[in-house]
This record gives sequence, C-alpha cells and structure tokens, in this order.
Amino acid sequence: ETGVTQSPTHLIKTRGQQVTLRCSSQSGHNTVSWYQQALGQGPQFIFQYYREEENGRGNFPPRFSGLQFPNYSSELNVNALELDDSALYLCASSLPAREAFFGQGTRLTVV
Amino acid sequence: KQEVTQIPAALSVPEGENLVLNCSFTDSAIYNLQWFRQDPGKGLTSLLLIQSSQREQTSGRLNASLDKSSGRSTLYIAASQPGDSATYLCAVRPGSQGNLIFGKGTKLSVKP
Repeated sequence: ETGVTQSPTHLIKTRGQQVTLRCSSQSGHNTVSWYQQALGQGPQFIFQYYREEENGRGNFPPRFSGLQFPNYSSELNVNALELDDSALYLCASSLPAREAFFGQGTRLTVV
Repeated sequence: KQEVTQIPAALSVPEGENLVLNCSFTDSAIYNLQWFRQDPGKGLTSLLLIQSSQREQTSGRLNASLDKSSGRSTLYIAASQPGDSATYLCAVRPGSQGNLIFGKGTKLSVKP
C-alpha cells in the first residue's frame, strides 16, 4: 500500500507566474484535501475533492483552483503568484471524515 | 467559528520525562479530532484519531484523551525520547463532510 506522494518537493517561481502541484492519494482513498502552511503556523484549508467534485473550500481566492482525477489523484493550481503564496503546500487523502494521511509537502518559494 | 489553540507553543524536557500537550477548541460540536507530528520542513504524520464518541485512544507510548463538553484534548507522551522532538499539531473535524481545523502546534524538544 503506497502512501500519499506529492511532487515536486521544492519549487521556486517568480511573482505573477502560475504553478501546478500534484498529489497521489493513498490507495483506496477517494477524498483529497489541500492545505497551505506558512512558517510557524498550522495548516490552513484550501479545498477538498470527493470523487472528482469540489465539496468544500476555505478562505482562498479563485486563483487557487484544483482538480481530482478518476484515479483520485489531484492537482492544485495557483495563478498570478504573489510573494505571500510562499509556503508549504500539503495534500491529505482519506475516506470521508476518516483518518487523514498527509504527503511530505511541496515547498513553494515565490520571488 | 471553530478555533483551535495549543498551549504551550514550545516545551523543552529532559529525556525520560512523561509529558502532556494540550489542545482546546471553541465549539464542542466536532466529528473527530486528530493528533499529528511534524518534523521540520516535512509533512504531517498521523498519530491518533479520536472519534467524538470516544474518550481516549492509545498507541504505544502515546495516549490521547478527548473531553468534548469542555472542548479539550490532551496528548500524553510517556518516557520521552530525543526522537520525539518535533512539532505536535492538533486538528478537529467539525462535521462528517468537513475539513480539518488546526492549531498552531506545540514544538517539543527532548534533551538527551
């Protein structure tokens, strides 16, 4: 049974650019959630996908968007990057409302 | 609006001590609560999940308790080791369809 994997592990982008982060969910898990974690803070919920449909969103602007694929893997897209988007982006997979398992994260730096 | 608070923000103890980490939440209507461990710059490792109907869960040297009515959970670590040094995060799930709401964590340092 494979765990949650995220790619890439590190990324440096320029302000105004667009970025796509990827997440492979744990086998059998149909729910994927994305979180943003700034330094010294707890993770903040971005959005959640269940069976390819978005079913919850946190307080993030529309330039944060996502997808979930039929194999339950997921992408997080961020357009028009801002310096404040620099953070650790975490993906979690689970069955609905069950124990959440996180990937190792993608460290995004916007310069 | 649900808020999760973890006190203290940082804790340093000598190896071998038993210790308790605290988590409080403002709305007692939660579906479950999960404790995580995070090593610097890494992802989150799930430690324990407590359903709202449960009072405690145990895994090895870890024991987590839940008192929903008072909005509190504690994580007890027995016989601490230097390898336990990490940030410990508490998260609540408000409903069966909901996301996790995190505290800011307690940074634990266990000195040899």
